[in-house]
Amino acid sequence: DAGVIQSPRHEVTEMGQEVTLRCKPISGHDYLFWYRQTMMRGLELLIYFNNNVPIDDSGMPEDRFSAKMPNASFSTLKIQPSEPRDSAVYFCASSLWWEEGKDYGYTFGSGTRLTVV
Amino acid sequence: AQKVTQAQTEISVVEKEDVTLDCVYETRDTTYYLFWYKQPPSGELVFLIRRNSFDEQNEISGRYSWNFQKSTSSFNFTITASQVVDSAVYFCALSESHYGGSQGNLIFGKGTKLSVKP
Repeated sequence: DAGVIQSPRHEVTEMGQEVTLRCKPISGHDYLFWYRQTMMRGLELLIYFNNNVPIDDSGMPEDRFSAKMPNASFSTLKIQPSEPRDSAVYFCASSLWWEEGKDYGYTFGSGTRLTVV
Repeated sequence: AQKVTQAQTEISVVEKEDVTLDCVYETRDTTYYLFWYKQPPSGELVFLIRRNSFDEQNEISGRYSWNFQKSTSSFNFTITASQVVDSAVYFCALSESHYGGSQGNLIFGKGTKLSVKP
């Protein structure tokens, strides 16, 4: 199992440019989450999907952010236009709806460190 | 509203000392799940444990142990005989059960940075 795969690992872009972050969840997992980590706000949920359908996007900061999950094996988080305050580490996580007695957890990718200059 | 509080921002210990990381949570649900994650300097988030609200048994895994007490809404994490490799930020998190058992969002605490010195 390759785990949750995120790309790119690092992204440096200029203010105003479009940024696309990518995530491949663990095969068979039916939940996918996008989190953002900053020093000031810690780890905060942006959006999550269940069976490719967005369930809660209340954490998406503003219209500049959008997320899609066209199929069970791929999701994108897009920022357009990017701003310096978007600089953060963005994590993708996937999970399977667990059953009692099974010790599932949310598995996180390695994150994408985004720097907007 | 759900909330996770990790009051200890930073802890520094010397190798082989025992250390306890505190976690206090708030939720109105009767069914919920508690987690601990480790974030080493390399940055990834590593799953350590999940506990559901109906299981108050303490858990031990090697040098790690967890104490879950519903009466005080706490889920504390103890590392026995700490090692330098334990240096990391540790996050406690809460997830409520939604839609008849399906998963909800993970609410994280702010984390406790543990430094273990040789």
